[in-house]
Amino acid sequence: EVQLVESGGGLVQPGGSLRLSCAASGFTFSNYWMAWVRQAPGKGLEWVANIKYDGSGENYVDSVKGRFTISRDNAKNSQYLQMNSLRVEDTAVYYCARVDGAKGGTPDIWGQGTMVTVSS
Amino acid sequence: DIVMTQSPDSLAVSLGERATINCKSSQSVLYSSNNKNYLAWYQQKPGQPPKMLIYWASTRESGVPDRFSGSGSGTDFTLTISSLQAEDVAVYYCQQYYSTPYSFGQGTKLEIK
Repeated sequence: EVQLVESGGGLVQPGGSLRLSCAASGFTFSNYWMAWVRQAPGKGLEWVANIKYDGSGENYVDSVKGRFTISRDNAKNSQYLQMNSLRVEDTAVYYCARVDGAKGGTPDIWGQGTMVTVSS
Repeated sequence: DIVMTQSPDSLAVSLGERATINCKSSQSVLYSSNNKNYLAWYQQKPGQPPKMLIYWASTRESGVPDRFSGSGSGTDFTLTISSLQAEDVAVYYCQQYYSTPYSFGQGTKLEIK
């Protein structure tokens, strides 16, 4: 069964840091781009970042550039999101998603999400 | 950046009736080299992650009931549910994956009338 499990969310003060992890199983992780998508409470979906299958390329939404870093470890079937200089507006559920190149590069499998709350 | 705009924001349809959701992109998401529209539709039920329904604007994801269909090209797209079932109550999002950042529409909340 294809599965993505996020971890690492929690409560952090503005200006703080947090590292999210996503463990993948049930598919050949190293063959797929991966992504993070977030959803603020009661709001819509926002694409945050994606990373190439071998980790050699990344893309970010402007609002997180310079603060967030996406990475992956294919040996551990895991991807990560390092979040620094966190702001109140970063509060959201963060979803890990598999990106299917055969479908053009859109997320086809999603994890259940991990909640990040930025508050003093 | 490409801006995605859905209409309506909410929709109430009777069971068994047709539901139609529209999505408009601020620029074309049709890639001329392969004639494919880089547009997907997702369904999100309360407390759950999104579920892919449609990709390439009109290709149904495996396992998705055939009452769901996508159409359109360029900048204007439609998701149609031909005969609404109770389990279709959800928020629906379109997303362009033509260019980063891969933006989503604001969502359309579908309810039973």
